[in-house]
Amino acid sequence: ETGVTQSPTHLIKTRGQQVTLRCSSQSGHNTVSWYQQALGQGPQFIFQYYREEENGRGNFPPRFSGLQFPNYSSELNVNALELDDSALYLCASSLGGAAAYEQYFGPGTRLTVT
Amino acid sequence: GQQLNQSPQSMFIQEGEDVSMNCTSSSIFNTWLWYKQDPGEGPVLLIALYKAGELTSNGRLTAQFGITRKDSFLNISASIPSDVGIYFCAGQPQRSSGNTGKLIFGQGTTLQVKP
Repeated sequence: ETGVTQSPTHLIKTRGQQVTLRCSSQSGHNTVSWYQQALGQGPQFIFQYYREEENGRGNFPPRFSGLQFPNYSSELNVNALELDDSALYLCASSLGGAAAYEQYFGPGTRLTVT
Repeated sequence: GQQLNQSPQSMFIQEGEDVSMNCTSSSIFNTWLWYKQDPGEGPVLLIALYKAGELTSNGRLTAQFGITRKDSFLNISASIPSDVGIYFCAGQPQRSSGNTGKLIFGQGTTLQVKP
C-alpha cells in the first residue's frame, strides 16, 4: 500500500510570487485535505477535495486554491505569497463520506517566503 | 471559533513511566483522533474514536472519547525513547456542515523521554 506523498520537500519563494504544491493520495483514497502548519502550532484546515470538487474550506483567502485530478492526486496553489505564508503544508488523504475524518498525512512541503 | 485545548503543553518523563494527556473543548465534537508528529514529518494517525465513552487501544496507547463529547484522553503505558514527539488531538466539530472533512487540531503536547 502506497502512502501519501508530497512534492517538493522544501521550497523558497519571494513575496508576491506564486507556488504550486503537489500531493498523491494513499492508494484507495478518493479524498484529499490540505492543512497549513505554522511553527509550534497544530495544523489548520485549508480545504478538502472529494471527487474533484471542493468539499469544505477553512478561513483562508481566495488566493489559496486547489485542484483534484481524476486519479485523486491534488495541487495546492497560493498566489501573491506573503511572509506569513511560510509554513509546513500538509496533505492528508482519506476515504469519502463518514470516513473523511480518518485522515492520513504526507510528510509535508516546507515553504519559506522571503 | 472552535478550539481544542491540550494539556500539558510539554512533558519530560523517565523511560518506563506512564503518560497521560488530554484535550478539551467548549463545544461538542463528533469524532476525536490522536496523532503523533516527529520533527520534519507529517502527523501519523494513532487512534480514531467515534462514540462517546469509547475506549480504544493501539499497543501501549489507549484513548477515550469523553462522555460529554467535549474531551478526550490519551494514555501511553511504559514509555520508551521512541515515544518522543509531539502528540496532537484533533476532532470533527458537531456543527460542521455535511462531511466537509474539516479537522480542528489542538496545539500539541511535546513528550520527551529520558532513558
